[in-house]
This record gives sequence, structure tokens and C-alpha cells, in this order.
Amino acid sequence: KQEVTQIPAALSVPEGENLVLNCSFTDSAIYNLQWFRQDPGKGLTSLLLIQSSQREQTSGRLNASLDKSSGRSTLYIAASQPGDSATYLCAVNAYNTDKLIFGTGTRLQVFP
Amino acid sequence: DAGVTQSPTHLIKTRGQQVTLRCSPKSGHDTVSWYQQALGQGPQFIFQYYEEEERQRGNFPDRFSGHQFPNYSSELNVNALLLGDSALYLCASSSLGNTEAFFGQGTRLTVV
Repeated sequence: KQEVTQIPAALSVPEGENLVLNCSFTDSAIYNLQWFRQDPGKGLTSLLLIQSSQREQTSGRLNASLDKSSGRSTLYIAASQPGDSATYLCAVNAYNTDKLIFGTGTRLQVFP
Repeated sequence: DAGVTQSPTHLIKTRGQQVTLRCSPKSGHDTVSWYQQALGQGPQFIFQYYEEEERQRGNFPDRFSGHQFPNYSSELNVNALLLGDSALYLCASSSLGNTEAFFGQGTRLTVV
């Protein structure tokens, strides 16, 4: 059974810091991995999608890497801003299924 | 492009009642998935609809049922509501075979 874990559960950093959020999964047979952002009480916004054949994806200040063999992904946020404050969720999608299995998220607070 | 839209945004129901939540997928998408997100947890997969049929189902009781219409919109029905059904219900749309999922803003269901 696929399980997804995110560390740390919460993170508080001053504005301007570069930071790394971690995601690990137990079954390496994944089709892709997605990172999402969720503001309090809101829906999910897709940030980055990494296919199983890819090693990383970049969008602006965000960079996500994927190491299938070790069951790990990291989300790197450069030059963090208060507007980055949110919960970040990773989710994996196994082969032959379109359902996403989520971690419990990392709650990020960036203070001025 | 309106993206994924869900209605209503908030709902309060009494234990034992029935509820219907609605979702319109992103333009061009034919697959709708529903997730339940309890407070502080990651979303849990309920089921997925494609071509008006339930394609996959997560570990949820039969009290949870759904429907997809010819225009790809979808409904989630929950019967005999329990206090534990209180959660944020998220709808995600995608195109079958292209598994990047886009989420709506969610419906906050409170059962009292």
C-alpha cells in the first residue's frame, strides 16, 4: 500500500530564505508526482507535475526534484516571500490508476 | 476558462440527512474525481467518474455515491450523514491518460 510522508509538518522562516520541503513515498512504481499549494480552507492549486521519467521541474522560484529509486521528492522554494505562506502537499499517482495519494502536507509560514 | 467549479461553497446539515455536492470540470476535461479532506489531513480519494461510470473507488462506504452527466459535470451524494463526514470535499478534473489534476475550491460540509 502506497504511503506518502511529508517532513517537516510545519516550518516558519524569515522572508528571503531558501527552503526545502520533503516528500517520501513507499512504493516507487509511480506514474507521476504533483506538488500542490493550499491556502487555509481553500482548494488545491497545482504547482508542479513531475513525470516518472523526469528528474526535476521548475516554475519561477519553485523547483521540484524526483528520485524514484529512493522514493523521494523535494520542493525547493527560492527567496521565500510572505505570500508563499500556505500548506504544501505532495501527491503520487500510481500506474494504471488516476487517483492521487496525498501526504499530510507541510504548513509553511514566511514572516516579514 | 473558468477552471473547476464547485457548489455550494459551504453547507451545514444535520446528522442523518442527505447531501448533494456539485462539480463542473475544467473545459476539455472528461474525468472527475472526488476527495475528502479532514482538518489537518491530506485529501483522501473517494471515487472517480469517466464516461458517466464509476471508474475507481477508494475506501469509502456505500453511503457515498456519485454521478457524472453527459456534459462531464458530476455530483457527490452522501446519505445518512455522520458527524465524521464533516470535511472539505474537493473535486478534481483531468483528461483520461493525462493525469495532471486540477482542483476546485472545495465545499466545506459541516454535520451537526
